[in-house]
Amino acid sequence: ETGVTQSPTHLIKTRGQQVTLRCSSQSGHNTVSWYQQALGQGPQFIFQYYREEENGRGNFPPRFSGLQFPNYSSELNVNALELDDSALYLCASSLGGASGTTDTQYFGPGTRLTVL
Amino acid sequence: AQSVAQPEDQVNVAEGNPLTVKCTYSVSGNPYLFWYVQYPNRGLQFLLKYITGDNLVKGSYGFEAEFNKSQTSFHLKKPSALVSDSALYFCAVRRGGYQKVTFGTGTKLQVIP
Repeated sequence: ETGVTQSPTHLIKTRGQQVTLRCSSQSGHNTVSWYQQALGQGPQFIFQYYREEENGRGNFPPRFSGLQFPNYSSELNVNALELDDSALYLCASSLGGASGTTDTQYFGPGTRLTVL
Repeated sequence: AQSVAQPEDQVNVAEGNPLTVKCTYSVSGNPYLFWYVQYPNRGLQFLLKYITGDNLVKGSYGFEAEFNKSQTSFHLKKPSALVSDSALYFCAVRRGGYQKVTFGTGTKLQVIP
C-alpha cells in the first residue's frame, strides 16, 4: 500500500450537481496530482498542487477545481456535473518542487464517480 | 506536446515464459519514463522509472525496462511470467522540469497457466 488514501470509494450523482473528492497524501509528500481515468482509458492529468498552489493543469475546463491544505491533503471539486464526468478519479502524491522533480508519484485507490 | 503509445491492447504469454510489454514515447527535452500496474478496481502501483543513467532499469516484482533513446522506446520485460502478473500495465512520460504526466492507453497482460 502507498499510504495515499481517497474518499469516498464510490459516489453517485446526477447531472448538474457538484461533487467534492478528497485525498490524503503519503507522509512527507508535499505535492498532489489529480487524474481522471475513464473506462478503458489511461489516466488523464487534471492538475497538480504544490504547497497549496496549483502548479500545472491539463486540458480540463474551469469547473474542475481543487484545493490543497497546509497538511498537503487535497480536494477535487467538480461543478455542473456532466455524464462524461463518470470515471475513476485518482490522486497521486509525491515529493516535488515548483518545476517538478524526478520523484515518483504514488497513487491512491481512486474514487469511482457515476453521473446519472 | 508529449505522448505515449502502447501498441498492443493485450499481450498473452504462457506462465514461465519471458514477457515484453511495448511502449514508445514522444517528448521534447529529457524524458522521465515510468511503468505502473493496475489491478481491477484498484489504483496504480509503481513498478519502475527511468530518469537518467543506465539504460536498463530494474524495478519491483522482477520487472525491468530498457530505455532506447534512438528508438524512443521503453519496453517492460520480465524473464519469467507469473499468473499473478496478469493485470493492466501503463507506460507514462513526463518532460523534465514539467508537472504533467502523460499515460498510454494501457496493455492488458494475460499470463496463461
